[in-house]
Amino acid sequence: QVQLQESGPGLVKPWETLSLTCTVSGGSLSVYYWNWVRQSPGEGLEWIGYIYASGTANYNPSLKSRVAISVDTSKNQFSLRLTSVTAADTAVYYCARGQTVRGFEYWGPGNVVTVSS
Amino acid sequence: EIVLTQSPDTLSLSPGERATLSCRASQSVSSSLLAWYQQKPGQAPRLLIYSASSRATGVPDRFSGSVSGTDFTLTISRLEPEDFAVYYCQQYGSSPFTFGGGTKVDLK
Repeated sequence: QVQLQESGPGLVKPWETLSLTCTVSGGSLSVYYWNWVRQSPGEGLEWIGYIYASGTANYNPSLKSRVAISVDTSKNQFSLRLTSVTAADTAVYYCARGQTVRGFEYWGPGNVVTVSS
Repeated sequence: EIVLTQSPDTLSLSPGERATLSCRASQSVSSSLLAWYQQKPGQAPRLLIYSASSRATGVPDRFSGSVSGTDFTLTISRLEPEDFAVYYCQQYGSSPFTFGGGTKVDLK
């Protein structure tokens, strides 16, 4: 059974860097692509980007200048860094496994991140 | 970027009724790579339908998806109490992947 779990701080100060990690259990990072998705309070879903186990990444242009996703296959983890955060980055951040045909089949429970001084 | 427009914003129905949710894409969705997700308060989205019309593992057959051109539809044939939730469509055929704004199915 594949499981994903986000971890990281729940509070980040304005203009600092948000860092989250997603740990994958019950399966390998190979074959699939690994995503970050966020949801602002009371809002819809926004795709942030993905990474393959090879390290190839793709980002949403709306965030591309501030985001980096990395992968550590030895730990079965992938991570998100979002720089220069503001209140607009306050959201629940989800990690999700993507597959070319089957979409985002597995999701983590989400990590609430609040940007505030 | 492909914009997905969902309608209606809210659908007020009773258990046992049929729900029809719409998702219109601003341009062609590559290989009909469109998914539907269900989200309940405090939970992550749950994949229901992928490739426009294929049910994900464990999804009841009262959920079905269809496509006509750039118009995608999610149908719930007979609403069960656990189906009252918010539903999102998503295209994952071309980057950036995008989601619709959601349709809330609530109790009439």
